[in-house]
Amino acid sequence: DVKVTQSSRYLVKRTGEKVFLECVQDMDHENMFWYRQDPGLGLRLIYFSYDVKMKEKGDIPEGYSVSREKKERFSLILESASTNQTSMYLCASSLSGTGSGEQYFGPGTRLTVT
Amino acid sequence: KQEVTQIPAALSVPEGENLVLNCSFTDSAIYNLQWFRQDPGKGLTSLLLIQSSQREQTSGRLNASLDKSSGRSTLYIAASQPGDSATYLCAVRIGGYNKLIFGAGTRLAVHP
Repeated sequence: DVKVTQSSRYLVKRTGEKVFLECVQDMDHENMFWYRQDPGLGLRLIYFSYDVKMKEKGDIPEGYSVSREKKERFSLILESASTNQTSMYLCASSLSGTGSGEQYFGPGTRLTVT
Repeated sequence: KQEVTQIPAALSVPEGENLVLNCSFTDSAIYNLQWFRQDPGKGLTSLLLIQSSQREQTSGRLNASLDKSSGRSTLYIAASQPGDSATYLCAVRIGGYNKLIFGAGTRLAVHP
């Protein structure tokens, strides 16, 4: 079974702090994704990566950056956390190429910024 | 721009009912469509994936259909159980890199 793990289930940070959210997958997937999920807005793509050191902006990249130094690990960085970044953050991974591209999700991190 | 809509937003049914959840998308140029389940406060679990060339997929009591030309998919749940209570999300894969566009979900409650 594919396993996607996220470093924390719950996180509370203060405004202005630098926040790191980590995601690890164990199935040698090329693609990794970070989403945020908010009531009424659904899941929105923040950033994704299709290879080590490669990244692409999603629909809402402002206020975030990412890092992918190893294939299995994809980090989301909030350079200076703000209250409007309080949300549920979900990581996912998938194979690339012409396969099904089925995405597998981690359990999520509920981030609260006070 | 691709938009995905799910109807209804919420559904409450008695145990044992067969039910249909609807998903529509505006651009038929999709690679595939995926149905997910999400329990409160948890991540997403993939239920079914239908390739653009397929018409339906089945897994146990779940059956998903796809009509790409009309931009519609349905998730059929047979003989619903309280354990089926969750939010069901559909998502379409567009373009390269397996990007998904999600609907807002249908919140299902199955009561005994």
